Parts: sequence; C-alpha cells; structure tokens
Amino acid sequence: GENVEQHPSTLSVQEGDSAVIKCTYSDSASNYFPWYKQELGKRPQLIIDIRSNVGEKKDQRIAVTLNKTAKHFSLHITETQPEDSAVYFCAAPQRGAGTALIFGKGTTLSVSS
Amino acid sequence: DTEVTQTPKHLVMGMTNKKSLKCEQHMGHRAMYWYKQKAKKPPELMFVYSYEKLSINESVPSRFSPECPNSSLLNLHLHALQPEDSALYLCASSQDASRLGDGYTFGSGTRLTVV
Repeated sequence: GENVEQHPSTLSVQEGDSAVIKCTYSDSASNYFPWYKQELGKRPQLIIDIRSNVGEKKDQRIAVTLNKTAKHFSLHITETQPEDSAVYFCAAPQRGAGTALIFGKGTTLSVSS
Repeated sequence: DTEVTQTPKHLVMGMTNKKSLKCEQHMGHRAMYWYKQKAKKPPELMFVYSYEKLSINESVPSRFSPECPNSSLLNLHLHALQPEDSALYLCASSQDASRLGDGYTFGSGTRLTVV
C-alpha cells in the first residue's frame, strides 16, 4: 500500500523565519496531496492541498510544491508567527482504499517570538 | 452548515460497557470515515463508508462496530474495549465517494478513556 514519510519530526524557528516540511510517497499513481494543521486538543484542519497536475500552489503565507518525478511534496510557511505553532500532517490517498487518506507521522512546529 | 459534529466530546467507559459514538454532517458528503488518533501520532484509518455502504475495514477488532443509518449519520458502537483503545476518535467526511475533491472535513473528535 501507500507509504508516506514526513520530515522533520520537530522544527523550531524564530518568528519571521520560513519553515519547510517535506513528505515522500511511494505510489506513483497518487494524485492528491493535502496538508493538515492540528493545534493541541483540536481537530486536524485542511490548510492547503495540491493535485498531481500542478507543481505549486500558494495561499498567502503558505505554499505547497510537488515533484512527481521524485515523489515528494513540501509545505512552505513564510514569515512564521507564533500562531503557526502546531502539528502539521501531510497525507496521500491510501492505495486501493478509494478516497481514504494515509497520513505522515507529523511535524511539530514551534515558532518562538 | 459546513461542520462535522461528533458526540460526545468526552467518554469514560469501563471494559464491560457498551457505548456509541455519533457523527453527523449536513454537507451532502457521500463518504464518511472513522479514524483513531493516539497522542502525538497521526490519525489511523479504521472504516470508510461510501454511499452509506461499508467499503473499507482496516482490520479493526470486532469490539468496534460501525453503522451508517443514513447519508448524514455515522455511528461507532463500542463493546468490551481495552485500556489501549483509549484515544481520540475522529470522524471525517468528503464530498465525493469516488474521488477526493476538497479533502476531508474532520469533526472535533471524541476523547475516549477506557478504565
């Protein structure tokens, strides 16, 4: 089945710096890659996603890039703020499971002011 | 209504109890999911319902029994659970049951403690 590897597991940055989280996937047929943000004690929330026919997508301070050849996709957060502190999960379709998603292990982002 | 509502928010149950978790959405989504999330871990898929039919069961023990009474409701019946089943149980829905469209909408979860 699909396997999603996420790095790093923890990331500490200063306010205003950029943060980059990378995920790799194994199934070359995967075509949809969302990113979720989960604050402590809360639900995961979709922050951005990308389809395999697009190389990059931006939404204000957040961007996602996709390299289909290398089978990896990355989340980029610019001008980080303390409220960006959370756990971030990448995901990809679970092979043979229709619309089900499999999640990476998560990255705990800490932004210090 | 753009939310997935889960009840109860917290549940403490003994190992001999029977309880149910409920999930409701009124967005017309045709796929609904149960995930289990342990502390500091990613959500793990348990069940998938597509058009109100169980399409995926990720080898979940029979002490967890899902039910989809209609297109808006999803239940998870619990019986004879173990302490290691303590976790956050997340319900999610997505619009299209055959193709991922706009990703999932997650409910806020039920935090389950088995004593």
